Amino acid sequence: SQQGEEDPQALSIQEGENATMNCSYKTSINNLQWYRQNSGRGLVHLILIRSNEREKHSGRLRVTLDTSKKSSSLLITASRAADTASYFCGSMEYGNKLVFGAGTILRVKS
Amino acid sequence: DTAVSQTPKYLVTQMGNDKSIKCEQNLGHDTMYWYKQDSKKFLKIMFSYNNKELIINETVPNRFSPKSPDKAHLNLHINSLELGDSAVYFCASSRRMDYEQYFGPGTRLTVT
Repeated sequence: SQQGEEDPQALSIQEGENATMNCSYKTSINNLQWYRQNSGRGLVHLILIRSNEREKHSGRLRVTLDTSKKSSSLLITASRAADTASYFCGSMEYGNKLVFGAGTILRVKS
Repeated sequence: DTAVSQTPKYLVTQMGNDKSIKCEQNLGHDTMYWYKQDSKKFLKIMFSYNNKELIINETVPNRFSPKSPDKAHLNLHINSLELGDSAVYFCASSRRMDYEQYFGPGTRLTVT
């Protein structure tokens, strides 16, 4: 069964703006991972946040995790046209199964 | 150097045929996976192997059989292909099962 849900399904912004994507999951997790997928390509790992962490940064990316609400958010600051892609969250269950949401399609207009 | 590679990239075949997809990783990882991404981009795990041992086997038809000859390779064989098997299949690997995963470029399978 599908674990995660992502919101919004699609997001269109201007270059330089910030983009925020949200993810919800249903069961307890070991960690939560965000990935990017460019059209016709495989997924690329962006950031992993463990269940005992609340916030993590990597370059222009900021991820938060709220285990009480079973939700996470990915913030991309100062977006660029090259950030145009689909973004997926994957929740790592304690059985070590990574369950993905349906993804958010981000379009950054230059 | 490609970290996780898959062959072929595209596969077009008729219903009822048997086909294989090959995957190799040169990262020295212990764990490898097969995922299926459908037309709505929903990505679901099918199998995972850790040190050549099958760890995760989701509710996948018996027509799908993974084989791991060694830690660096995980192949997927599909018997009696059906229209519903059309999808993009991704191989991935990770150092440990709870670590980040590295994905291959995908194999787009079209069953006609």
